[in-house]
Amino acid sequence: EAGVVQSPRYKIIEKKQPVAFWCNPISGHNTLYWYLQNLGQGPELLIRYENEEAVDDSQLPKDRFSAERLKGVDSTLKIQPAELGDSAVYLCASSTDSGRDTDTQYFGPGTRLTVL
Amino acid sequence: TQLLEQSPQFLSIQEGENLTVYCNSSSVFSSLQWYRQEPGEGPVLLVTVVTGGEVKKLKRLTFQFGDARKDSSLHITAAQPGDTGLYLCAGLRSNDYKLSFGAGTTVTVRA
Repeated sequence: EAGVVQSPRYKIIEKKQPVAFWCNPISGHNTLYWYLQNLGQGPELLIRYENEEAVDDSQLPKDRFSAERLKGVDSTLKIQPAELGDSAVYLCASSTDSGRDTDTQYFGPGTRLTVL
Repeated sequence: TQLLEQSPQFLSIQEGENLTVYCNSSSVFSSLQWYRQEPGEGPVLLVTVVTGGEVKKLKRLTFQFGDARKDSSLHITAAQPGDTGLYLCAGLRSNDYKLSFGAGTTVTVRA
């Protein structure tokens, strides 16, 4: 079974440019998460989707970040315009049911963003 | 400020030695998870502990959840170079089912 797929794996852009990341979760997983991981830190949740509904976007900087999960499968995370401080790894994860104590999140390999 | 504090931040040991990583918080969690992350990859779940005082073993790895469900530890016996990686603890809060990660412990096992 294929795991969580993310693309691109690496992205280098100039500041003020837009950038988009794509995620394809594990088949059948209703819940999708976007995390940001800075160097030397653990992942921090940006947004969580239950099917196509964003149920927790409290940590998403909405002035420049946006996300969508059309049809409740693939998801795209966008930054416009990018700032130097956005350089980080952006991780996507999926799970079957976020409402259980033993719910397992499966992570993709991440997209490493460098903003110059 | 991280909800979960991990210590130590870095750990370098010789093959065959034992090590313990700690994960502490002032918050109570409904469950606590341990992940291992290798460079260029996403975290991979090792174990989930749910009950206060619970101990789980995974080959040479032993995980313990504190009685008050605020802290946890990971002990590796006879560490091997393949155990090298970033170990992350993550607590699940029952009010919003949000997973909060610690900053991680980078473990290096020298051959």
